[in-house]
Amino acid sequence: GEDVEQSLFLSVREGDSSVINCTYTDSSSTYLYWYKQEPGAGLQLLTYIFSNMDMKQDQRLTVLLNKKDKHLSLRIADTQTGDSAIYFCSESEVNTGFQKLVFGTGTRLLVSP
Amino acid sequence: DGGITQSPKYLFRKEGQNVTLSCEQNLNHDAMYWYRQDPGQGLRLIYYSQIVNDFQKGDIAEGYSVSREKKESFPLTVTSAQKNPTAFYLCASSVWGNNEQFFGPGTRLTVL
Repeated sequence: GEDVEQSLFLSVREGDSSVINCTYTDSSSTYLYWYKQEPGAGLQLLTYIFSNMDMKQDQRLTVLLNKKDKHLSLRIADTQTGDSAIYFCSESEVNTGFQKLVFGTGTRLLVSP
Repeated sequence: DGGITQSPKYLFRKEGQNVTLSCEQNLNHDAMYWYRQDPGQGLRLIYYSQIVNDFQKGDIAEGYSVSREKKESFPLTVTSAQKNPTAFYLCASSVWGNNEQFFGPGTRLTVL
C-alpha cells in the first residue's frame, strides 16, 4: 500500500529557514499536501502541489516536488516561534471520487528564540 | 462562522463502555471523515461518508461504528470491541472529490 515517511523532529533558530522532507511511494498520487497541527488542535491545510508541478511558492512557504525520487519538501523562510508545530505530509489517491489521504508520521518543528 | 465542531474535547470512559464522539459541520460539505491519531504515527482513516445515509469503512474500522442521518452530523461510536481506544480522534469534511479536507479540533479519548 501507500506509504509516506518523514523525519520525526527538526529544531531551528528563529529567523532561519526550515526544510521539512517527505518521501512517498504512490507514483499515481495526484495531489500532495502539507498540513500543520498545533498542540491539541486539528490539522490546518498549509499548501498543496499538483503532481505535474515542480515547485509552488506561497509567501514564506516553498514546496518542492521531485517526482523521479518521490520526494517532497516544505521550506519555511524566516521561521518564527509561531511556526512551532507538527507538520504532516500527505498524498492523495482519487478512486471513484473518493480522495483518500495517506499521512506521514509528522515532523515536529521546534523554533527557538 | 463556518467550521467543524467536535465535542467533547476530552473524554474519559471505563473499559467495557461504549462512547459516542460528536462531529458537526456547517460548511455544507457532502463528505465527512473520521481519523485516529496516535503518538508518533500519522492519521489513520476509520470511516468516511460521501452522502447522507451512506458510509464506508476505512483502514481501521474494527471496533467502531458511525451513522450519517443528517448532512451536518457524523457521530462516531467507539465500542467495547475496540481493544486500544485511547487516542486523539479527528473529524474532517470536504466537498466530495475536492482536494481539501477541513479538520475539527479533535477529541482526546482516554480509557481508564
